[in-house]
Amino acid sequence: EPEVTQTPSHQVTQMGQEVILRCVPISNHLYFYWYRQILGQKVEFLVSFYNNEISEKSEIFDDQFSVERPDGSNFTLKIRSTKLEDSAMYFCASSESSAHYGYTFGSGTRLTVV
Amino acid sequence: AQKITQTQPGMFVQEKEAVTLDCTYDTSDQSYGLFWYKQPSSGEMIFLIYQGSYDEQNATEGRYSLNFQKARKSANLVISASQLGDSAMYFCAMREGYDYKLSFGAGTTVTVRA
Repeated sequence: EPEVTQTPSHQVTQMGQEVILRCVPISNHLYFYWYRQILGQKVEFLVSFYNNEISEKSEIFDDQFSVERPDGSNFTLKIRSTKLEDSAMYFCASSESSAHYGYTFGSGTRLTVV
Repeated sequence: AQKITQTQPGMFVQEKEAVTLDCTYDTSDQSYGLFWYKQPSSGEMIFLIYQGSYDEQNATEGRYSLNFQKARKSANLVISASQLGDSAMYFCAMREGYDYKLSFGAGTTVTVRA
């Protein structure tokens, strides 16, 4: 069964450092997403990406965040200057053109900012 | 206002018994989709079941069924014949209209007892 692959599974970074979280969506999917889950809390939408541009972003997705699809297969989330409160599980997801067929989430990257 | 409300923070269920997880939603869109995801302690998000707003029959997937009551705006998940491996956090989520992002509830932790 096709999978969304996320790397790394766990990243520890110093406050103020830049991190890049990587995702390989399912190959025939057209819509890509990042979600965040702070430990023990609900899953929150960050950003959606379609046709090489951001289609929607939440209030959380401020100037510290950016997304990119650098090579047609990878989909990355960059946090420019990490803060302690960025510590969370970050999920990448992808979906086909019709959301009826559902989303597939990756296994997540647990980001710990120290 | 919360788009998805899950009022049960935690539930215990005896092995082999059925359990119902509550989910109510709020939307003014006529077209929407409702999802349930399972999140085990390992952290990944596992898709369980989907119900479209125009689907006349309740969705079923193996031991999972969705009790969809449109007038009451509820989409409860029923897990039949609970197994120890069902112990996890369960999230209800909604997609509205042509919006592809998901809004998640706070989740319900299910603990299955032997």
